[in-house]
Amino acid sequence: AQSVTQPDIHITVSEGASLELRCNYSYGATPYLFWYVQSPGQGLQLLLKYFSGDTLVQGIKGFEAEFKRSQSSFNLRKPSVHWSDAAEYFCAVGFSGGYNKLIFGAGTRLAVHP
Amino acid sequence: DVKVTQSSRYLVKRTGEKVFLECVQDMDHENMFWYRQDPGLGLRLIYFSYDVKMKEKGDIPEGYSVSREKKERFSLILESASTNQTSMYLCASSPGGRGLFFGPGTRLTVL
Repeated sequence: AQSVTQPDIHITVSEGASLELRCNYSYGATPYLFWYVQSPGQGLQLLLKYFSGDTLVQGIKGFEAEFKRSQSSFNLRKPSVHWSDAAEYFCAVGFSGGYNKLIFGAGTRLAVHP
Repeated sequence: DVKVTQSSRYLVKRTGEKVFLECVQDMDHENMFWYRQDPGLGLRLIYFSYDVKMKEKGDIPEGYSVSREKKERFSLILESASTNQTSMYLCASSPGGRGLFFGPGTRLTVL
């Protein structure tokens, strides 16, 4: 069965430090890959997505993610974190022919120290 | 901008009540979804719909039903609310081009 794993439940970084959030998936073919962010009390906002082509994708708010087929990973990165990046981040995987259903990871909660 | 609205941000109901959660999208999207969000579990798909009057079960449909009479509106129904249905409910829509647009969520408490 398809699954998505975000190994880190909580991460704390200092403002200005770099960030990497991990995401691994289990699926036989290349899936569609997404990162969403959820601020407290809000819905989910799409940060970036990968369908095909260049394995390094750029998103909003200065985020990027890299698809590594050999590792079944799609890690999210940001070179310099801002206090406003404190939120919960969800990795999601979609599959062709799946009516755009997405399977979500459990989420990583990011705290940013001043 | 795509807008997905949900009828309530917060809702408190009693065990055994019938509960309706409403979702409306304004971009003529084909697909609509209901997820529930629980700490440590991420988002889990309850039901989805790919056309008017069409519905498909997701991963956790037990205790829920849905209705889609118009393209823009997708309702989630808890036939007899139970305390284990206390959760955050998120509606989403998609134009079929992959990727979901989410509403703000309804936090439901069942007492």
